[in-house]
Amino acid sequence: DGGITQSPKYLFRKEGQNVTLSCEQNLNHDAMYWYRQDPGQGLRLIYYSQIVNDFQKGDIAEGYSVSREKKESFPLTVTSAQKNPTAFYLCASSVLAARKFFGPGTRLTVL
Amino acid sequence: AQSVTQLDSQVPVFEEAPVELRCNYSSSVSVYLFWYVQYPNQGLQLLLKYLSGSTLVKGINGFEAEFNKSQTSFHLRKPSVHISDTAEYFCAATSPLTQGGSEKLVFGKGTKLTVNP
Repeated sequence: DGGITQSPKYLFRKEGQNVTLSCEQNLNHDAMYWYRQDPGQGLRLIYYSQIVNDFQKGDIAEGYSVSREKKESFPLTVTSAQKNPTAFYLCASSVLAARKFFGPGTRLTVL
Repeated sequence: AQSVTQLDSQVPVFEEAPVELRCNYSSSVSVYLFWYVQYPNQGLQLLLKYLSGSTLVKGINGFEAEFNKSQTSFHLRKPSVHISDTAEYFCAATSPLTQGGSEKLVFGKGTKLTVNP
């Protein structure tokens, strides 16, 4: 089956630790995206990548980093510089100018 | 910059009643519009999209939306809702690269639809 997988589903982090969220797709999509979702805030774009080895900052990139070494993978690292990382993180992929497919999400909680 | 406004944060309705979830966008250039549904602790699922052509768009689960350029609106409707439609609904917009846009999808803040028996 084609789709997007995110792991883990739930993640707990101590303050001051970096943590990496995984996103993999086998849809052969060029573009991949990371969104952060907070209650009542909708989805906000963190980073996006339209091609391998290239990515751009979204609206709330501070405290996050990404890499795009392979077309299928777009991991997101939440660094200790992110002041309020507790949120639901959604990864998406798309063929440009068309619908975006979303993964099931990772819920990150900082203890 | 593109922005999307969902006018109602919560909409309670009774089962089998009609519902309209409102969405307005701001853009003077070509725009693609989407409605997504999210069930608790899950990702987003596409309900329908408007790219071009007919302004009335039909989607899955009996939902439809109408693109109104003069009012910059893309309201979502269903004539008769079910308990299973209880979820959060997001309107989103993007300006295509071919029209000078950035392909970034901008979301509204969401509308929680609660269908009561």
